[in-house]
Amino acid sequence: DIVMTQSPDSLAVSLGERATINCKSSQNVLSKSNNKNYLAWYQQKPGQPPKVLIYWASTRESGVPDRFSGSGSGTDFTLTISSLQAEDVAVYYCQQHYTTQRTFGQGTKLEIK
Amino acid sequence: QVQLVESGGGVVQPGRSLRLSCAASGFTFGSHAMHWVRQAPVKGLEWLAIISYDGSQRYYADSVRGRFTISRDNSKNTVFLQLNSLRDEDTAVYYCVRGGASVDDYWGQGTLVTVSS
Repeated sequence: DIVMTQSPDSLAVSLGERATINCKSSQNVLSKSNNKNYLAWYQQKPGQPPKVLIYWASTRESGVPDRFSGSGSGTDFTLTISSLQAEDVAVYYCQQHYTTQRTFGQGTKLEIK
Repeated sequence: QVQLVESGGGVVQPGRSLRLSCAASGFTFGSHAMHWVRQAPVKGLEWLAIISYDGSQRYYADSVRGRFTISRDNSKNTVFLQLNSLRDEDTAVYYCVRGGASVDDYWGQGTLVTVSS
């Protein structure tokens, strides 16, 4: 199985500042056939199911604010929130869908400093 | 709009069985693979199983292979997860998730399974 490792486990950022979350996969998730990274980012707020933010490593889901961006390729990926808002407090997960058996990172808890 | 509604959760004793259902609406159910994902209390997300759009292919996480079975009824727009030989560590919220070509996008609200004697 592909193991996904996020860092840090938790993060406190001031309102309006940048937040950066990293995700590393144990195997390459870049497809040679279509040059796409099979990496998604989800946001989960308390008491709610996860919501997809980013797919193909850098494509924002419809309706997701443009302060959220994804980058990276191969095995190393980053989710960036350019200017933290209060409503961004949540746990963020990366997920690989390169293989049929999906795997998630352990999650990063984002809080306001 | 896409809706996924899980049901069938509850309190069950160790070693017993439970069948979860997920009723789908708002999209062409028979065109999508479906997943089950769970989340233990105050824990992260654990992918469990996937079934292809027509039910012909099924894959499982190592942690549940042989105990859990995913199935679907496209005539009823429903996907199921049969949970057998339940253990304390199976206590979790169980979500069904719609599979997509680019991303697994829609999640239900989840159903809570508590394994306790």
